Amino acid sequence: DGGITQSPKYLFRKEGQNVTLSCEQNLNHDAMYWYRQDPGQGLRLIYYSQIVNDFQKGDIAEGYSVSREKKESFPLTVTSAQKNPTAFYLCASSITGTGVHEQYFGPGTRLTVT
Amino acid sequence: AQSVTQLGSHVSVSEGALVLLRCNYSSSVPPYLFWYVQYPNQGLQLLLKYTSAATLVKGINGFEAEFKKSETSFHLTKPSAHMSDAAEYFCAVSARAGGTSYGKLTFGQGTILTVHP
Repeated sequence: DGGITQSPKYLFRKEGQNVTLSCEQNLNHDAMYWYRQDPGQGLRLIYYSQIVNDFQKGDIAEGYSVSREKKESFPLTVTSAQKNPTAFYLCASSITGTGVHEQYFGPGTRLTVT
Repeated sequence: AQSVTQLGSHVSVSEGALVLLRCNYSSSVPPYLFWYVQYPNQGLQLLLKYTSAATLVKGINGFEAEFKKSETSFHLTKPSAHMSDAAEYFCAVSARAGGTSYGKLTFGQGTILTVHP
């Protein structure tokens, strides 16, 4: 089955530690995205990548970093500089080029930092 | 810049009643529009999308939405609510090719739908 996997489902870290969230897709999509979800705030875009070895900041990139070394993978690192890292993180992917770009989402990772 | 406003953070209906979830968008040109559903602690699933082929769009699980350019709206409806429809619903907008936000989705705040027996 084609889809997006995120691991782990739940992640716990101590304040001051960096943590990396995994996102893998086998949909052969060129574009991948990371969102943060907080209650009542919808989804906010952290970073996105439309091609391997290239990525752009979204609306709330501060305190986060990404890499895109392979088409299938787009890991997100939450650094100790992120002031409020506890949230639900969602990865998505889509096709690129002309036409509509609906995004397909993974199951999410819930990060708790104490 | 484009934006989306979902009117009502919580909507409660009885089983069998009409579901109406409101979405208004702001965009300089008619955009692509989407409705997604999210069940607790899960990712988002696409319900339907508007691409300009037809103003009334039918989606999965009996949902549909009507694009009204004059009202800049894309409200989601379902004639008869089922208990399994209880979830959070998100409206999203994407610019068409040539727009500065092409390929990126801007989401509304979400509407939590509760269905009472």
